Amino acid sequence: DVKVTQSSRYLVKRTGEKVFLECVQDMDHENMFWYRQDPGLGLRLIYFSYDVKMKEKGDIPEGYSVSREKKERFSLILESASTNQTSMYLCASNRGAPTEAFFGQGTRLTVV
Amino acid sequence: AQSVSQHNHHVILSEAASLELGCNYSYGGTVNLFWYVQYPGQHLQLLLKYFSGDPLVKGIKGFEAEFIKSKFSFNLRKPSVQWSDTAEYFCAVSPSGSSASKIIFGSGTRLSIRP
Repeated sequence: DVKVTQSSRYLVKRTGEKVFLECVQDMDHENMFWYRQDPGLGLRLIYFSYDVKMKEKGDIPEGYSVSREKKERFSLILESASTNQTSMYLCASNRGAPTEAFFGQGTRLTVV
Repeated sequence: AQSVSQHNHHVILSEAASLELGCNYSYGGTVNLFWYVQYPGQHLQLLLKYFSGDPLVKGIKGFEAEFIKSKFSFNLRKPSVQWSDTAEYFCAVSPSGSSASKIIFGSGTRLSIRP
């Protein structure tokens, strides 16, 4: 079974803190994704990586950056957390189009 | 830019009713299409997918979807819903032709089934 593991299920951070969300997949997938999920807005793509050290902006990259130093690991970084970044963050991976994406359990981040 | 529209935000049905959830996408090229489901407290999982060939695709748990290229639509159907189908359903699109492709999701449809 494909496994996508996000390091934390719940996080509470203070405004202005630098926040790291980690994601690891164990199936040697080329592509990895970070989404945020908000009620009524669905999943919005923040960043996407198609290879080590390669990344593309999604629809809402402002306030975020990413790092992919190893194929299996994709990190989302909130440079200076703000309350409007309180959300559920989902990591996903796939072998490349047209294959399906596999999702982690999500990290619910609260910024206070 | 690609976009996916799911016009039904919340659908409430009784058990055994038929279901159709709408999905329209905006993209000029060839696409791969997906429906994902998120049961309460669980991670997203694939219901079904369309890449090419027969535009009527069957997925898990009795779900099916029809790709109508001329309407840019990929509606999800089930002839008779069960209480266990209560979940949130997401339509997604990914351009084909490159393995390095984004997957764009719609805003989701929450389905509530009355027992």
